[in-house]
This record gives sequence, C-alpha cells and structure tokens, in this order.
Amino acid sequence: TQLLEQSPQFLSIQEGENLTVYCNSSSVFSSLQWYRQEPGEGPVLLVTVVTGGEVKKLKRLTFQFGDARKDSSLHITAAQPGDTGLYLCAGPKGGSNYKLTFGKGTLLTVNP
Amino acid sequence: SQTIHQWPATLVQPVGSPLSLECTVEGTSNPNLYWYRQAAGRGLQLLFYSVGIGQISSEVPQNLSASRPQDRQFILSSKKLLLSDSGFYLCAWETGSGANVLTFGAGSRLTVL
Repeated sequence: TQLLEQSPQFLSIQEGENLTVYCNSSSVFSSLQWYRQEPGEGPVLLVTVVTGGEVKKLKRLTFQFGDARKDSSLHITAAQPGDTGLYLCAGPKGGSNYKLTFGKGTLLTVNP
Repeated sequence: SQTIHQWPATLVQPVGSPLSLECTVEGTSNPNLYWYRQAAGRGLQLLFYSVGIGQISSEVPQNLSASRPQDRQFILSSKKLLLSDSGFYLCAWETGSGANVLTFGAGSRLTVL
C-alpha cells in the first residue's frame, strides 16, 4: 500500500513567519501534487512535481520533490492569514493513471 | 471554461433513509469522474471512479453505490444510510490525459442522525 505521511498534522504560526511542511513515503511516486483546501470547500491544486530534485516556486510558496521521488516539501515564506488552510499532498496510486492517494494533510493556521 | 457542480451542499438525513448526491461537469467531454469522502476535515478516501458512461470502479466495500447515467453526470447513492456514512463528500473530474490533475467540486456535507 502506498501511503503518504504528512507532518506536522497541525501548525499555528504568526503572520510573517516562515514554515515548511513535509510529505513522505516509503514508495516511489512518478509525481506528487500539492492541494490547498479551505474550510467547507474542495481542494484546489497548487502544483505538480514530476522530476526528482525538482523545485517549483509559486509566489511565496516553494515546492521541492525529493531526489528519490519518495518525498516532497512545501516551504512558505512570510506567511499571511490568507495562507490558512489544509495542505494535502497526493500521488498516483499504484502507478495508476486514474487514482490518487492523499495524505491526511497539514492544517495550517496563520494568525494576524 | 470547465465547471463542476455538486448538490446538495448540506444534507441531514436519518439512519436508514436513502441518499442521492449529484455531480455534473460542464465545458468538457468524456472526463474521468471521482467520488471522495473526507472525514473530520482530513485526508481524502477514494470511493468510486468512472472513466465512461456506465463504467464504475469501487475502491472500498461499503454502503454506497455510484452511477454515471450521462457523460458528465456522476451520482452517489445509498439505499439505507448508516451513522458512519456521515462526512464531506467531494466530486472531482480530470481530463483523462494521465496527468492525474483533479478539479474538485465544493463538496456535500452529509450528517446522518
């Protein structure tokens, strides 16, 4: 079973701080995705990483895919209250083209 | 542009009653469609997926069923709800290109009492 473990489960920080959240697996993934979900809404895709060692930047968010394609991290610089939400990582399940397996997420709260 | 609609947004049902959640996609054809359940605001569990009309794959044995009567319509049903069916149900679609990029609906919050 391909599992994605996310840490920390909960993170509460002050506006302006930096943070990193992690997504780890014992399995190799062909790609990993990061989604952000706000309360009462569906997740929204932030980024897909496909190459080992790849780094992608989305404004203040930096995503990295591990060299061995077993882990990924999301770093947020100068967090803002609008960054508050549940951050989920996901990867193709069993190499399937149709199914994603999701981690349990990191619930981030940025306090003003 | 493509849009995805789910309804109802909120539902409170007694144990033993039937369920029907509906999802429709606009602006695309032959999408892959998915039903996920999210418990307590955390990770998503894949329930069903469909790659075409009438084609349903079930991921987890359970009290629920799914149907795809039209290309862009996906329905989640139950004949008799259980307390454990409570949760946040999310419909999603993707183009079927193999990119696995999901676009989610706004979700349906089901409470079974």
